[in-house]
Amino acid sequence: AQSVTQLGSHVSVSEGALVLLRCNYSSSVPPYLFWYVQYPNQGLQLLLKYTSAATLVKGINGFEAEFKKSETSFHLTKPSAHMSDAAEYFCAVSETYNTDKLIFGTGTRLQVFP
Amino acid sequence: DAGVTQSPTHLIKTRGQQVTLRCSPKSGHDTVSWYQQALGQGPQFIFQYYEEEERQRGNFPDRFSGHQFPNYSSELNVNALLLGDSALYLCASSLADRVNEQFFGPGTRLTVL
Repeated sequence: AQSVTQLGSHVSVSEGALVLLRCNYSSSVPPYLFWYVQYPNQGLQLLLKYTSAATLVKGINGFEAEFKKSETSFHLTKPSAHMSDAAEYFCAVSETYNTDKLIFGTGTRLQVFP
Repeated sequence: DAGVTQSPTHLIKTRGQQVTLRCSPKSGHDTVSWYQQALGQGPQFIFQYYEEEERQRGNFPDRFSGHQFPNYSSELNVNALLLGDSALYLCASSLADRVNEQFFGPGTRLTVL
């Protein structure tokens, strides 16, 4: 069965510091991987997705993630945190690009301090 | 272009009651998925509708049912509410051939007392 594990339920960084949010996946087939962001009292917004093309994926708001098959990881990074990045981040996996449901991790809350 | 809309935004029910949540997909989208997000957890897939039929279902009891209308809007019904059904219910819409490019609505916060 597919699953994702997000290491660290809370991550705190200073404004301008590197953001690193960790995600490891488990899948019996080459996965499709996603990162979503959720701001308070809002729905989820897609940050970026990996669909078996380039292993380094660039998303919105300066975020990027690298697919590493050998490590079964898909960590999310941003070189310089901004106060507006404070939110909940979810990693998700699916087995197919079409028709399949998304399996979400438990989320990582990012706090950014001035 | 309106995104995914959901109604109501908040709802309070008591145990044993029934509830109906509504979702209008993003313009041009034909597939609707529903997720339950309990407090402090990631969203969990309930089911997905396409062409007015349930196409996939997650691990949820039959108390959870849905419907999709010809205009692609959708309803989620939950019968015999339990305290554990308290959660944020998210609707996501997509195109049938790009289902995992899902656009999420703001959710309906259901509280069961």
